[in-house]
Amino acid sequence: RKEVEQDPGPFNVPEGATVAFNCTYSNSASQSFFWYRQDCRKEPKLLMSVYSSGNEDGRFTAQLNRASQYISLLIRDSKLSDSATYLCVGVPMNRDDKIIFGKGTRLHILP
Amino acid sequence: ETGVTQSPTHLIKTRGQQVTLRCSSQSGHNTVSWYQQALGQGPQFIFQYYREEENGRGNFPPRFSGLQFPNYSSELNVNALELDDSALYLCASSLDGSYGYTFGSGTRLTVV
Repeated sequence: RKEVEQDPGPFNVPEGATVAFNCTYSNSASQSFFWYRQDCRKEPKLLMSVYSSGNEDGRFTAQLNRASQYISLLIRDSKLSDSATYLCVGVPMNRDDKIIFGKGTRLHILP
Repeated sequence: ETGVTQSPTHLIKTRGQQVTLRCSSQSGHNTVSWYQQALGQGPQFIFQYYREEENGRGNFPPRFSGLQFPNYSSELNVNALELDDSALYLCASSLDGSYGYTFGSGTRLTVV
């Protein structure tokens, strides 16, 4: 099983709709999780941290489920500018372990 | 507050050559990690430096090496370049690995 798995998509979603992505991880030693957004030929940019209690930032909601080993990202009222690749990443508790990124989920918001 | 800067932005090298990529971490950050990103893939973790020591290494051969300097800037060195080394190389900095990592805009390396 791959360490961090994401559905590569693409997700083609009409503007204004709600879309959700999941990311599963196999390394239970991962301590911190984040969602990044990456535009074509650009660097990843931090979107939000992910906590077990869930956290919300405007139209974006992230959730961590440690028991089932997955994290989720929900985007409400999607905008054209949300079109990008969304990467999840697990950062280990042990500094000597690897930082694992998923391959990303491509999202296309359709006008 | 300056962000993460990488140099050069683009580079073309010949197979067998050696290359050094540079990264200046964001002000106040003491941790730098390096990634290789091939087209259509997620960033692959190469290694991380914390306070000038390597800690954490991905599945990359020893010809990938690095340094971190007292000002927390960093270098990635790749020896004996292979065609498959062609990729976007990203550097990211963080404070103790917490609160996520800030990425530089990357160096696009082409090996011919």
